[in-house]
Amino acid sequence: AQTVTQSQPEMSVQEAETVTLSCTYDTSESDYYLFWYKQPPSRQMILVIRQEAYKQQNATENRFSVNFQKAAKSFSLKISDSQLGDAAMYFCACHTSGTYKYIFGTGTRLKVLA
Amino acid sequence: NAGVTQTPKFQVLKTGQSMTLQCAQDMNHEYMSWYRQDPGMGLRLIHYSVGAGITDQGEVPNGYNVSRSTTEDFPLRLLSAAPSQTSVYFCASSYSWGGGNEQFFGPGTRLTVL
Repeated sequence: AQTVTQSQPEMSVQEAETVTLSCTYDTSESDYYLFWYKQPPSRQMILVIRQEAYKQQNATENRFSVNFQKAAKSFSLKISDSQLGDAAMYFCACHTSGTYKYIFGTGTRLKVLA
Repeated sequence: NAGVTQTPKFQVLKTGQSMTLQCAQDMNHEYMSWYRQDPGMGLRLIHYSVGAGITDQGEVPNGYNVSRSTTEDFPLRLLSAAPSQTSVYFCASSYSWGGGNEQFFGPGTRLTVL
């Protein structure tokens, strides 16, 4: 069975600083993909970044980057130069083609302090 | 494109009542899914569909039915509502079931069962 674990229910970061959100996963599949989604107070889920497990290079999207450690089954999200608009709930997710399922973690609420 | 639409946005039910949450997408996506979001539990997969006429159970399927007669629509039926089904429900779709495609989410339905 797939599992996704986010051990930080809440994090805070000062505006313009850097913060890292943790995520670990477990799957027996070899073909899988990892995601970070953002859910602002509007409740709308937005894709932040995506990583293919077969790629060693860490994905980056502007101020957002991941640290993908395949052997450790770790997939952390780094937000650089944090902005007030980054305040949201962040969900880590794993998708395996073999099971068709997307499994989400419990989320980390990020607060950005002015 | 309207993307993924859900109706209603809010609903209050009494225990034992039945209802259908509607979900539609206009992107010709093959894969559709339903999640429930509860505090501290993240998003949990209820049911999913890999194409018209094909559905399967997710992590928490009990008390819910789905069908997929068209590519566009994927309604979720609550057969006999219980207070434990009080939650926010999200419908999502992606281009296909494989390849780690991004999921696009609807705005959610907040359901309260009294």
